[in-house]
Amino acid sequence: GNSVTQMEGPVTLSEEAFLTINCTYTATGYPSLFWYVQYPGEGLQLLLKATKADDKGSNKGFEATYRKETTSFHLEKGSVQVSDSAVYFCALTGSGGSNYKLTFGKGTLLTVNP
Amino acid sequence: DTAVSQTPKYLVTQMGNDKSIKCEQNLGHDTMYWYKQDSKKFLKIMFSYNNKELIINETVPNRFSPKSPDKAHLNLHINSLELGDSAVYFCASSQATGGSYNEQFFGPGTRLTVL
Repeated sequence: GNSVTQMEGPVTLSEEAFLTINCTYTATGYPSLFWYVQYPGEGLQLLLKATKADDKGSNKGFEATYRKETTSFHLEKGSVQVSDSAVYFCALTGSGGSNYKLTFGKGTLLTVNP
Repeated sequence: DTAVSQTPKYLVTQMGNDKSIKCEQNLGHDTMYWYKQDSKKFLKIMFSYNNKELIINETVPNRFSPKSPDKAHLNLHINSLELGDSAVYFCASSQATGGSYNEQFFGPGTRLTVL
């Protein structure tokens, strides 16, 4: 079946540091890939997405590129802010009959200190 | 506001009780979901309904019974609550396209605590 593996963290950075959260996946066919963010006490929000190989998703300074050759979708941001402190989830939906189901990684807690 | 809403936000109850969580979406989507997030933040799908029809049931105990009276609502009823049911339950919705892209929109969550 489909699976997602991401850095478990926690990750603690200083403001303006560079962020990378690694994510790799296993899936048949052509999955779509997502990063969701969960701020403290809130539900999940879609941060960015990519639906085919070599697509780059970007939003709020975050980027991730769909790499089919390495089955990866690493999240990056050049300069983090305190307000980026949250839990980040890498996720995928499969193709065909499994496209209804989001499979999540275990989440990575990011804390950014001023 | 267009959104996915859940009630209640917090639910504290005794073991053995029966409780329900309600979810409504006004996004016009045809597919709705329930996810469970455990204390380690791990998220796992429980159920999915498409046009009121159950399409995903992920090995959830039959004490959990989802009900979808219409496309905009998906409620979750839990019988004989156990300590291990304590978690945050998230409702989500999406518009099924039949393709591989399926962005889901999440509600704010219901924190269930079983004492």
